[in-house]
Amino acid sequence: EVQLVESGGGLVQPGGSLRLSCGVSGFTVSSNYMSWVRQAPGKGLEWVSAIYSGGNTYYADSVKGRFTISRDDSKNTLYLQMNSLRAEDTAVYYCTRDHDYWGQGTLVTVSS
Amino acid sequence: QAVLTQPSSLSASPGASASLTCTLRSGINVGTYRIYWYQQKPGSPPQYLLRYKSDSDKQQGSGVPSRFSGSKDASANAGILLISGLQSEDEADYYCMIWHSSVWVFGGGTKLTVL
Repeated sequence: EVQLVESGGGLVQPGGSLRLSCGVSGFTVSSNYMSWVRQAPGKGLEWVSAIYSGGNTYYADSVKGRFTISRDDSKNTLYLQMNSLRAEDTAVYYCTRDHDYWGQGTLVTVSS
Repeated sequence: QAVLTQPSSLSASPGASASLTCTLRSGINVGTYRIYWYQQKPGSPPQYLLRYKSDSDKQQGSGVPSRFSGSKDASANAGILLISGLQSEDEADYYCMIWHSSVWVFGGGTKLTVL
């Protein structure tokens, strides 16, 4: 069974950093297209970043230069390193496999 | 102008059909894109419904009923999600998505009310 579980969310001050993790089961992260999608409270979906099986990475303009997507093949885990966080980064962050399977999300709150 | 525009809300009666539109910005030809559709209920992650580019290039999500289908209206430059035989459980937010200029773009979402 395919499962994705995000972790690492929490409260962080503006300018701070956070690393999200997405542990998976039922498939191999390195063999799949993986994405992070976020949803601000009461708002719509916003794609954040993606990594292809070959290692190519892509970012939304809103996070480019601040966020880094990566994976650890030995741990079968996807990551999102978030630096220089802003209030507008406050959202539930979802990990997805090829946009068909989604985790339950982890909440990131950026506030002083 | 947003890349993808969806009506903010739509209401329909149980048993009826609902046509949800996703209009592409002028200059972006709907015919060249796969359009993905998602359903999201409060407190839950989005669920993949289907993707549609043409009748020969389409995919239904795993376990998604056939009463959910995709199409396009080239004259309106729009993708369409058709839900037939509406049920109360179909009440949710619906989002469209495309891959455009090396980024994934979501529409703003349509809140479907079944009443």
